[in-house]
Amino acid sequence: GENVEQHPSTLSVQEGDSAVIKCTYSDSASNYFPWYKQELGKRPQLIIDIRSNVGEKKDQRIAVTLNKTAKHFSLHITETQPEDSAVYFCAALLSNDYKLSFGAGTTVTVRA
Amino acid sequence: GAGVSQSPSNKVTEKGKDVELRCDPISGHTALYWYRQSLGQGLEFLIYFQGNSAPDKSGLPSDRFSAERTGGSVSTLTIQRTQQEDSAVYLCATSGLNYGYTFGSGTRLTVV
Repeated sequence: GENVEQHPSTLSVQEGDSAVIKCTYSDSASNYFPWYKQELGKRPQLIIDIRSNVGEKKDQRIAVTLNKTAKHFSLHITETQPEDSAVYFCAALLSNDYKLSFGAGTTVTVRA
Repeated sequence: GAGVSQSPSNKVTEKGKDVELRCDPISGHTALYWYRQSLGQGLEFLIYFQGNSAPDKSGLPSDRFSAERTGGSVSTLTIQRTQQEDSAVYLCATSGLNYGYTFGSGTRLTVV
């Protein structure tokens, strides 16, 4: 199966600064890469995803980039706000698989 | 329904008792997954359903854990003879054709 590594495990940023979370995957056959945000005590929610036929996708203050050659993808949050504080999980799906492989999560804290 | 519904939201049980956790998927979502999340930890895969069948049960921690799905809809996760290490949040997720998971709010299980 797929193996996804996520870094860093914790990230503290000043409000207004940018946050970047990086994930690497092991199988070049993976073709779908979603990101989930989990606020304290809440369910994980899909915030953005990217498929292997594109290199970058943006939605307001969040963006995801994919480097298929290097087998890594990153989440970028610009102009961070206190409500961005949460745990973020990356995931990858093999083209012939059914089950997302999740990273271990990154706890993001935005300091006011 | 509009979202994935899980019940109960909280369950406190005595060690050794059996518990049943329920998941109502989004209508039409044929794929259903159970995950476990211990406090401050990542997402641990338990079992995957496609329709009523479970082609992947590889994540079930022991034979005390079982799950079923009927009518391609509601799923029940049963834990027999609960132990304190079973205490966690149990999350259900469902998926349609676009691969992305929609998570339920989870059941917080506490074994005392």
